[in-house]
Amino acid sequence: KAGVTQTPRYLIKTRGQQVTLSCSPISGHRSVSWYQQTPGQGLQFLFEYFSETQRNKGNFPGRFSGRQFSNSRSEMNVSTLELGDSALYLCASSRGQINTGELFFGEGSRLTVL
Amino acid sequence: TQLLEQSPQFLSIQEGENLTVYCNSSSVFSSLQWYRQEPGEGPVLLVTVVTGGEVKKLKRLTFQFGDARKDSSLHITAAQPGDTGLYLCAGLNTGNQFYFGTGTSLTVIP
Repeated sequence: KAGVTQTPRYLIKTRGQQVTLSCSPISGHRSVSWYQQTPGQGLQFLFEYFSETQRNKGNFPGRFSGRQFSNSRSEMNVSTLELGDSALYLCASSRGQINTGELFFGEGSRLTVL
Repeated sequence: TQLLEQSPQFLSIQEGENLTVYCNSSSVFSSLQWYRQEPGEGPVLLVTVVTGGEVKKLKRLTFQFGDARKDSSLHITAAQPGDTGLYLCAGLNTGNQFYFGTGTSLTVIP
């Protein structure tokens, strides 16, 4: 079956702009979580959505937001981009809620902020 | 806040050697997972350990969860070039949130 699909794979933005990233989970998976990966900080949890509800949120500023649609697809948005937002953004889906098993990751969206 | 510290951060070894990667925390986790990430890809789950003291084997990989469920180790026997990648531990806390370790970048030289 198809894996987790993230779009776009690469993007370049400038400071102050905003960006929207998309994630299509594996068919039948209802939980989608987002992570930011940087060389210095590693993988950091952004938020998790389950059945269109945000169930958990990491320690990121309000510029980072997300949502989940009825078909389980999810988007995350970063407004007023800063240089430090440059990172690989990973989406992961799981069948149930995040604590019930394996996370299946997409290939990520690599964001560069100039 | 980084709750999981992995060591070593970088490891370069010859094919056939053995190695151990450590994942340590002062926090207790209800479960712990190990993932491997290759360049340009997302992490892929290797194993989940749940019980303190649990040992799981996956071919040449042996995973152990500490008795107090605060730490874990990954031992690879007779490493092969295909083992090259970034190894990440991830602990699930009581708030149902995964915390990932800082990662160990392994290079196995043929």
